[in-house]
Amino acid sequence: EDQVTQSPEALRLQEGESSSLNCSYTVSGLRGLFWYRQDPGKGPEFLFTLYSAGEEKEKERLKATLTKKESFLHITAPKPEDSATYLCAFFPYSGAGSYQLTFGKGTKLSVIP
Amino acid sequence: DSGVTQTPKHLITATGQRVTLRCSPRSGDLSVYWYQQSLDQGLQFLIQYYNGEERAKGNILERFSAQQFPDLHSELNLSSLELGDSALYFCASSFRTDNSPLHFGNGTRLTVT
Repeated sequence: EDQVTQSPEALRLQEGESSSLNCSYTVSGLRGLFWYRQDPGKGPEFLFTLYSAGEEKEKERLKATLTKKESFLHITAPKPEDSATYLCAFFPYSGAGSYQLTFGKGTKLSVIP
Repeated sequence: DSGVTQTPKHLITATGQRVTLRCSPRSGDLSVYWYQQSLDQGLQFLIQYYNGEERAKGNILERFSAQQFPDLHSELNLSSLELGDSALYFCASSFRTDNSPLHFGNGTRLTVT
């Protein structure tokens, strides 16, 4: 069964303290992986798409990387406004027109001023 | 703003009742997805439609049904409601059904009392 696991479940950082979030997956055929940010009471907001091992994407203080078994979201010098739940989701090879993302449960990040 | 509109934002109803959640996708997006998010389960895929046609089904209960109309808006119908159906229900849309990111609305919070 395809699975995606995120760790840690929750992370508290001091402002400026860099860290990484992990998303590990076991899937039969990975086409790619998404990272999303979700603020309380809001829908997930798209951040990055990664397609192949070795790929990296950056946006402001965030950098996402992908290996054959896992993806990391690196947060450099975080600010309080980076506090949110970060979700990863993979999309497998699937039948024509069928497109089903499987989400991890997320990492709740709190950045303390 | 993702461009995906969901109504209502909040819904409080009693057990045994039936409700309808509505979603308008982003302009130009042909595919609509419904997800359920509860505290312990994370985002769970329910169902996908593409241009009016059902394309994928996830963990959707038989008491739940959905449809996508010719104008591409979608409705999720939940009947014989139980306490355990209380959750956030998200709609998302995408232009294609392969590696396009999903764009989420801000959800409908359903409370069953």
